[in-house]
Amino acid sequence: GAVVSQHPSWVICKSGTSVKIECRSLDFQATTMFWYRQFPKQSLMLMATSNEGSKATYEQGVEKDKFLINHASLTLSTLTVTSAHPEDSSFYICSAEGAVTDTQYFGPGTRLTVL
Amino acid sequence: AQKITQTQPGMFVQEKEAVTLDCTYDTSDPSYGLFWYKQPSSGEMIFLIYQGSYDQQNATEGRYSLNFQKARKSANLVISASQLGDSAMYFCAMRGGYSSASKIIFGSGTRLSIRP
Repeated sequence: GAVVSQHPSWVICKSGTSVKIECRSLDFQATTMFWYRQFPKQSLMLMATSNEGSKATYEQGVEKDKFLINHASLTLSTLTVTSAHPEDSSFYICSAEGAVTDTQYFGPGTRLTVL
Repeated sequence: AQKITQTQPGMFVQEKEAVTLDCTYDTSDPSYGLFWYKQPSSGEMIFLIYQGSYDQQNATEGRYSLNFQKARKSANLVISASQLGDSAMYFCAMRGGYSSASKIIFGSGTRLSIRP
């Protein structure tokens, strides 16, 4: 089956620092990747959609300058949380979809804690 | 606008019993896909089952089956012979349109707890 990895699986950082989260499709080419965030006991909220080689499309209410997304290759997308603050603490999950996959496959998630 | 509704925030079921998790949806797209995902406490999203809007038969995957009633806009998940390992959050989700880049929207989820 299709495998998507995320790194790191968890990160703790100080307020004001930037954190980069990687999402990789290991055994297929991901033409599109999606970034979600999930607060405790809540559902997944789509933050942005990224297509390889083009700018990400952000959902309404998501600050593009704060959550920088880069989809530089068909197997890698990165989410950078810039100048992180405690309210950015959340569970961030990516998913990937390729031309030959019929559904999105999710990474294991990254738990971000900003002190 | 697309919308997914899960009306059961939590359910308790005895081990080995069958359980039905409810999901209703709303969309104006003629073509759409419906998904169920399982999220254990570890946080990973595990794909369970998929139903296309034009599929004639209800989808089945092992102990999981999707009771798709298009006219009622419902896509309930049925888990037969529940196991302790089935305890988790379950999310119903929908994707509209033909494009593979169509975003998936999620319901609010149902927390399923299996009693031994």
